[in-house]
Amino acid sequence: GAGVSQSPSNKVTEKGKDVELRCDPISGHTALYWYRQRLGQGLEFLIYFQGNSAPDKSGLPSDRFSAERTGESVSTLTIQRTQQEDSAVYLCASSLERGATEAFFGQGTRLTVV
Amino acid sequence: GESVGLHLPTLSVQEGDNSIINCAYSNSASDYFIWYKQESGKGPQFIIDIRSNMDKRQGQRVTVLLNKTVKHLSLQIAATQPGDSAVYFCAENTAGNKLTFGGGTRVLVKP
Repeated sequence: GAGVSQSPSNKVTEKGKDVELRCDPISGHTALYWYRQRLGQGLEFLIYFQGNSAPDKSGLPSDRFSAERTGESVSTLTIQRTQQEDSAVYLCASSLERGATEAFFGQGTRLTVV
Repeated sequence: GESVGLHLPTLSVQEGDNSIINCAYSNSASDYFIWYKQESGKGPQFIIDIRSNMDKRQGQRVTVLLNKTVKHLSLQIAATQPGDSAVYFCAENTAGNKLTFGGGTRVLVKP
């Protein structure tokens, strides 16, 4: 596909379960970002990848959150022992290179923890 | 910590009028300031950016103004159309990689 693809588009999980969110960036984009967006709010930075390395993990809210990227392509955001406050839309974006201001966003994964 | 924020949460504008969306920032070290548009149910979409050494940049129907003296950024939309209804975020790009977003302003275009 031509754009950033995220899956699943919606996920409902029980409190305490682990979830994995997937992001397929645009081919050739070296930079990849994860953001969290609560209802009616702005974008909260979670983590940034340059290639397969994550130079900035400062936004991860707790040690229950982790992310990896492989093959300078697909990234997975994992949330362990989910809590209700984790409910949000998780957005992934990619950009062609480090320093690019134009990031391309996916549609997001809407996570609901019940 | 450093932050990017907005003055107005909601802006109602008559179709055909000009819109002005404002943003205040606190990080003077940002390299670029950027505006994104987010329509309902979609991810944000890049509109326009401005380098920190500029004070004005024009695009198609949009103009971004940067006032470094008062750390203020604005987006002007000319002849606002129904398709402009969305949430607009300002963002800053610091040290060449991390995009930090503000809280957003909802623009409602009235027919």
